[in-house]
Amino acid sequence: RKEVEQDPGPFNVPEGATVAFNCTYSNSASQSFFWYRQDCRKEPKLLMSVYSSGNEDGRFTAQLNRASQYISLLIRDSKLSDSATYLCVVNSANRDDKIIFGKGTRLHILP
Amino acid sequence: GAGVSQSPSNKVTEKGKDVELRCDPISGHTALYWYRQRLGQGLEFLIYFQGNSAPDKSGLPSDRFSAERTGESVSTLTIQRTQQEDSAVYLCASSFAHSGANVLTFGAGSRLTVL
Repeated sequence: RKEVEQDPGPFNVPEGATVAFNCTYSNSASQSFFWYRQDCRKEPKLLMSVYSSGNEDGRFTAQLNRASQYISLLIRDSKLSDSATYLCVVNSANRDDKIIFGKGTRLHILP
Repeated sequence: GAGVSQSPSNKVTEKGKDVELRCDPISGHTALYWYRQRLGQGLEFLIYFQGNSAPDKSGLPSDRFSAERTGESVSTLTIQRTQQEDSAVYLCASSFAHSGANVLTFGAGSRLTVL
């Protein structure tokens, strides 16, 4: 099983819709979780951290399910500008605190 | 500096030449990472530096790749005898400390094309 797995997509979603995607991780001892966003031909940038209690930032909601070892990202009222690749990032407690990036999920918001 | 600075932003080279890529992290960031991203692919970890500790070189794909960092400042990634498969964007990131709880800030990357 890969350390961090994401559905590569692409997810093609009409503007205004709600979209959600998950990311699974293999190391149950992982401690920190993040979602990064990467626009085409740009560097990744932090979207939001994922807290145990779940957290929300405007139209974005992130949740952590430790029992099933996945994190999720929900985007409500999607905008054209949300089109990007969303990267799941997990701090693996193995191997000296290695930070593991998923391959990313591509999202296309359709007008 | 205000952000992570990488140079050159673009580099075109001929197969077999050596290239050197530079990363200037955010001032005060002790941890520095190099990643490679091929077109349409995910980030591939190469190496990280944390303060004066020995670097984790576990991601370097071959002995043609090496990296150095002086203290907590600039890092250089060197690729010797470049091959076409080395063509990619090389991303540098830094953070306050090597802890997964710390957010990585990425530079804009160095796009390498090997002809």
